[in-house]
Amino acid sequence: DGGITQSPKYLFRKEGQNVTLSCEQNLNHDAMYWYRQDPGQGLRLIYYSQIVNDFQKGDIAEGYSVSREKKESFPLTVTSAQKNPTAFYLCASSIGAGALFFGEGSRLTVL
Amino acid sequence: GQNIDQPTEMTATEGAIVQINCTYQTSGFNGLFWYQQHAGEAPTFLSYNVLDGLEEKGRFSSFLSRSKGYSYLLLKELQMKDSASYLCAVALNYGGSQGNLIFGKGTKLSVKP
Repeated sequence: DGGITQSPKYLFRKEGQNVTLSCEQNLNHDAMYWYRQDPGQGLRLIYYSQIVNDFQKGDIAEGYSVSREKKESFPLTVTSAQKNPTAFYLCASSIGAGALFFGEGSRLTVL
Repeated sequence: GQNIDQPTEMTATEGAIVQINCTYQTSGFNGLFWYQQHAGEAPTFLSYNVLDGLEEKGRFSSFLSRSKGYSYLLLKELQMKDSASYLCAVALNYGGSQGNLIFGKGTKLSVKP
Protein backbone atom coordinates (compact mmCIF):
# COMPACT_ATOMS: atom_id res chain seq x y z
CA ASP A 1 0.00 0.00 0.00
CA GLY A 2 1.25 3.49 -0.82
CA GLY A 3 1.47 5.99 1.95
CA ILE A 4 3.53 8.00 4.38
CA THR A 5 5.11 6.43 7.43
CA GLN A 6 6.21 8.46 10.41
CA SER A 7 8.16 7.12 13.34
CA PRO A 8 8.18 7.05 16.23
CA LYS A 9 4.53 7.68 17.01
CA TYR A 10 5.36 8.83 20.54
CA LEU A 11 8.67 10.24 21.71
CA PHE A 12 9.87 11.60 25.02
CA ARG A 13 12.90 13.80 25.22
CA LYS A 14 14.85 15.46 27.97
CA GLU A 15 15.58 19.13 27.70
CA GLY A 16 18.81 19.80 25.83
CA GLN A 17 18.60 16.71 23.64
CA ASN A 18 18.23 16.61 19.89
CA VAL A 19 15.73 14.16 18.44
CA THR A 20 15.06 13.06 14.86
CA LEU A 21 11.63 12.21 13.52
CA SER A 22 11.49 9.91 10.54
CA CYS A 23 9.23 10.37 7.52
CA GLU A 24 9.20 7.94 4.59
CA GLN A 25 6.84 7.94 1.60
CA ASN A 26 6.35 5.49 -1.24
CA LEU A 27 3.89 7.62 -3.20
CA ASN A 28 6.60 8.89 -5.56
CA HIS A 29 5.73 12.45 -4.58
CA ASP A 30 8.32 15.13 -5.24
CA ALA A 31 7.24 17.54 -2.51
CA MET A 32 7.40 16.81 1.21
CA TYR A 33 6.55 18.92 4.25
CA TRP A 34 6.80 19.08 8.01
CA TYR A 35 4.06 20.73 10.05
CA ARG A 36 3.64 21.35 13.72
CA GLN A 37 0.22 21.25 15.38
CA ASP A 38 -0.49 22.73 18.80
CA PRO A 39 -3.86 22.76 20.60
CA GLY A 40 -6.04 25.63 19.41
CA GLN A 41 -3.68 26.54 16.57
CA GLY A 42 -3.67 25.84 12.89
CA LEU A 43 -1.03 23.67 11.27
CA ARG A 44 2.19 25.61 10.94
CA LEU A 45 4.80 24.84 8.31
CA ILE A 46 8.31 24.10 9.57
CA TYR A 47 10.17 23.09 6.40
CA TYR A 48 9.33 21.84 2.96
CA SER A 49 11.18 20.32 0.06
CA GLN A 50 10.20 20.31 -3.59
CA ILE A 51 13.05 18.16 -4.87
CA VAL A 52 15.89 16.04 -3.58
CA ASN A 53 18.81 17.96 -2.04
CA ASP A 54 16.77 21.13 -1.73
CA PHE A 55 14.50 22.46 1.02
CA GLN A 56 13.04 25.76 2.18
CA LYS A 57 12.18 27.19 5.57
CA GLY A 58 8.57 27.53 6.52
CA ASP A 59 7.07 29.93 9.03
CA ILE A 60 8.60 28.38 12.15
CA ALA A 61 11.93 26.84 11.10
CA GLU A 62 13.99 28.10 14.03
CA GLY A 63 15.28 25.24 16.17
CA TYR A 64 14.62 22.61 13.51
CA SER A 65 16.68 21.08 10.71
CA VAL A 66 15.91 18.75 7.80
CA SER A 67 17.61 16.86 5.02
CA ARG A 68 16.37 15.46 1.72
CA GLU A 69 18.98 13.03 0.47
CA LYS A 70 16.44 10.65 -1.07
CA LYS A 71 13.09 11.33 -2.69
CA GLU A 72 11.38 8.96 -0.26
CA SER A 73 12.78 10.36 2.96
CA PHE A 74 12.50 13.71 4.76
CA PRO A 75 13.66 13.44 8.38
CA LEU A 76 13.17 16.30 10.84
CA THR A 77 15.57 17.01 13.68
CA VAL A 78 14.25 18.93 16.64
CA THR A 79 17.29 20.56 18.17
CA SER A 80 17.90 21.77 21.69
CA ALA A 81 17.54 25.30 20.33
CA GLN A 82 13.79 24.79 19.87
CA LYS A 83 12.37 26.48 22.95
CA ASN A 84 9.00 24.76 23.09
CA PRO A 85 9.24 21.46 21.20
CA THR A 86 6.34 19.60 22.80
CA ALA A 87 3.82 19.23 19.96
CA PHE A 88 2.24 16.93 17.40
CA TYR A 89 4.40 16.76 14.27
CA LEU A 90 2.91 15.89 10.90
CA CYS A 91 4.79 14.95 7.75
CA ALA A 92 3.04 15.30 4.40
CA SER A 93 3.72 14.94 0.71
CA SER A 94 2.10 16.14 -2.49
CA ILE A 95 2.28 15.99 -6.24
CA GLY A 96 3.23 19.56 -6.96
CA ALA A 97 0.55 21.92 -5.70
CA GLY A 98 -2.02 19.17 -5.24
CA ALA A 99 -3.65 18.00 -2.06
CA LEU A 100 -1.47 17.01 0.88
CA PHE A 101 -1.23 13.41 2.02
CA PHE A 102 -0.33 13.20 5.69
CA GLY A 103 1.46 10.63 7.79
CA GLU A 104 -0.01 9.46 11.11
CA GLY A 105 1.98 11.97 13.10
CA SER A 106 4.60 11.90 15.84
CA ARG A 107 3.82 13.23 19.30
CA LEU A 108 6.90 14.67 21.00
CA THR A 109 6.91 15.43 24.70
CA VAL A 110 9.78 17.17 26.43
CA LEU A 111 10.21 16.12 30.03
CA GLY B 1 -0.80 39.43 7.13
CA GLN B 2 -2.73 36.31 6.26
CA ASN B 3 -5.95 35.54 8.11
CA ILE B 4 -8.30 32.57 7.99
CA ASP B 5 -11.30 32.40 10.31
CA GLN B 6 -13.44 29.42 11.22
CA PRO B 7 -15.74 28.82 14.19
CA THR B 8 -13.91 27.03 16.96
CA GLU B 9 -16.61 24.50 17.77
CA MET B 10 -19.98 23.37 16.46
CA THR B 11 -22.51 20.79 17.59
CA ALA B 12 -25.09 19.05 15.42
CA THR B 13 -27.47 16.11 15.60
CA GLU B 14 -27.08 12.79 13.84
CA GLY B 15 -28.95 12.81 10.53
CA ALA B 16 -29.01 16.61 10.30
CA ILE B 17 -27.16 19.02 7.99
CA VAL B 18 -24.36 21.29 9.19
CA GLN B 19 -22.51 24.12 7.45
CA ILE B 20 -18.99 25.06 8.51
CA ASN B 21 -17.91 28.49 7.35
CA CYS B 22 -14.45 29.77 6.50
CA THR B 23 -13.54 33.35 5.69
CA TYR B 24 -10.13 34.43 4.52
CA GLN B 25 -8.11 37.58 3.90
CA THR B 26 -4.90 36.65 2.16
CA SER B 27 -2.33 38.30 -0.09
CA GLY B 28 -2.94 35.75 -2.83
CA PHE B 29 -5.34 32.96 -3.71
CA ASN B 30 -4.81 29.78 -5.67
CA GLY B 31 -7.50 27.60 -4.21
CA LEU B 32 -9.04 26.50 -0.94
CA PHE B 33 -8.81 23.07 0.64
CA TRP B 34 -10.90 21.35 3.31
CA TYR B 35 -9.40 18.58 5.42
CA GLN B 36 -10.96 16.34 8.07
CA GLN B 37 -8.98 15.41 11.16
CA HIS B 38 -10.16 12.94 13.80
CA ALA B 39 -8.70 13.45 17.25
CA GLY B 40 -5.09 12.28 17.45
CA GLU B 41 -4.98 11.34 13.78
CA ALA B 42 -3.67 12.81 10.56
CA PRO B 43 -5.76 15.17 8.42
CA THR B 44 -7.32 13.68 5.30
CA PHE B 45 -8.24 15.60 2.16
CA LEU B 46 -11.94 16.33 1.60
CA SER B 47 -12.27 18.92 -1.15
CA TYR B 48 -10.62 21.61 -3.24
CA ASN B 49 -12.21 24.72 -4.75
CA VAL B 50 -10.44 27.18 -7.01
CA LEU B 51 -13.42 28.56 -8.97
CA ASP B 52 -16.61 30.04 -7.54
CA GLY B 53 -19.43 27.66 -6.95
CA LEU B 54 -20.38 24.41 -5.33
CA GLU B 55 -18.46 21.15 -5.53
CA GLU B 56 -20.42 18.10 -4.42
CA LYS B 57 -18.88 14.83 -3.33
CA GLY B 58 -21.31 12.40 -1.76
CA ARG B 59 -22.54 13.68 1.61
CA PHE B 60 -20.00 16.51 1.56
CA SER B 61 -20.15 19.68 -0.52
CA SER B 62 -17.89 22.71 -0.57
CA PHE B 63 -18.67 26.20 -1.79
CA LEU B 64 -16.42 29.09 -2.71
CA SER B 65 -16.97 32.79 -3.34
CA ARG B 66 -13.66 34.44 -4.19
CA SER B 67 -15.12 37.96 -4.26
CA LYS B 68 -16.34 37.54 -0.68
CA GLY B 69 -13.33 35.60 0.58
CA TYR B 70 -15.70 32.94 1.80
CA SER B 71 -16.11 29.19 1.70
CA TYR B 72 -18.26 26.66 3.46
CA LEU B 73 -18.26 22.92 3.92
CA LEU B 74 -21.70 21.33 3.99
CA LEU B 75 -22.17 17.95 5.61
CA LYS B 76 -25.45 16.16 5.02
CA GLU B 77 -27.01 13.16 6.77
CA LEU B 78 -24.60 13.53 9.64
CA GLN B 79 -23.16 10.38 11.15
CA MET B 80 -21.42 9.91 14.48
CA LYS B 81 -18.16 9.25 12.64
CA ASP B 82 -18.29 12.80 11.26
CA SER B 83 -17.29 14.05 14.70
CA ALA B 84 -13.88 15.54 13.91
CA SER B 85 -12.07 18.80 13.30
CA TYR B 86 -12.46 20.38 9.88
CA LEU B 87 -9.55 22.42 8.60
CA CYS B 88 -9.81 25.16 6.01
CA ALA B 89 -6.59 25.96 4.12
CA VAL B 90 -5.81 28.57 1.47
CA ALA B 91 -3.08 28.22 -1.15
CA LEU B 92 -1.61 31.69 -1.53
CA ASN B 93 -0.20 31.39 -5.01
CA TYR B 94 0.67 28.96 -7.70
CA GLY B 95 3.89 27.11 -7.25
CA GLY B 96 5.44 23.71 -7.58
CA SER B 97 4.37 22.73 -4.11
CA GLN B 98 2.13 23.67 -1.20
CA GLY B 99 4.83 25.66 0.52
CA ASN B 100 2.45 28.64 0.61
CA LEU B 101 -0.55 26.89 2.13
CA ILE B 102 -2.07 28.62 5.16
CA PHE B 103 -4.31 26.68 7.56
CA GLY B 104 -7.12 27.97 9.71
CA LYS B 105 -7.32 26.81 13.33
CA GLY B 106 -9.98 24.26 12.52
CA THR B 107 -13.59 23.73 13.57
CA LYS B 108 -14.30 20.92 16.02
CA LEU B 109 -17.62 19.33 15.12
CA SER B 110 -19.44 17.16 17.64
CA VAL B 111 -22.30 15.02 16.36
CA LYS B 112 -24.85 14.03 19.03
CA PRO B 113 -27.28 11.11 18.84
